[in-house]
Amino acid sequence: GENVEQHPSTLSVQEGDSAVIKCTYSDSASNYFPWYKQELGKGPQLIIDIRSNVGEKKDQRIAVTLNKTAKHFSLHITETQPEDSAVYFCAASGGGSYIPTFGRGTSLIVHP
Amino acid sequence: NAGVMQNPRHLVRRRGQEARLRCSPMKGHSHVYWYRQLPEEGLKFMVYLQKENIIDESGMPKERFSAEFPKEGPSILRIQQVVRGDSAAYFCASSPGTGGADTQYFGPGTRLTVL
Repeated sequence: GENVEQHPSTLSVQEGDSAVIKCTYSDSASNYFPWYKQELGKGPQLIIDIRSNVGEKKDQRIAVTLNKTAKHFSLHITETQPEDSAVYFCAASGGGSYIPTFGRGTSLIVHP
Repeated sequence: NAGVMQNPRHLVRRRGQEARLRCSPMKGHSHVYWYRQLPEEGLKFMVYLQKENIIDESGMPKERFSAEFPKEGPSILRIQQVVRGDSAAYFCASSPGTGGADTQYFGPGTRLTVL
């Protein structure tokens, strides 16, 4: 089955800096890669996703890149703000399974 | 357009009691997924259902756990004879079922505490 590794587990940045979270996956048949943001006491919220037919996708301060050859994808947040502080999860699905496999999460802390 | 609804948001049970968790998918969504999350851990898949059918229950313990998604009404995750190790946050997600890898939208979760 699919295995998703996510790094780092904790990321601390100053307000205004950029933050990068990286994930690798094992199943070359995976073709859908969503990113979720989870604030304390809340459910995961989809913030951006990418499918395997594109290499990069942007939405304001958030971007995701995908390298299918290397089987890794990354979340980039620019000009971070304190409200970006949360746990971020990557996931991979597609191919033989529609059930996404999630990474263990990255706790992002943005210091004002 | 209301999102995924879950209730109750918090549930306290004593060991041996039954826990019943409810999930109403987003309007127009026919697929429901249940996940369990332990503190500081990721989301672990439990079961995937469509209306009146269990599609994949490979992540659900064989004993004490069951799930259903009836033709009318919410999806229900039932845990019988709860034990302390069942304490966790349980999340439901729904998707439109358009085929392929669907985008899943999560509810706010039910936090189960077993005393």
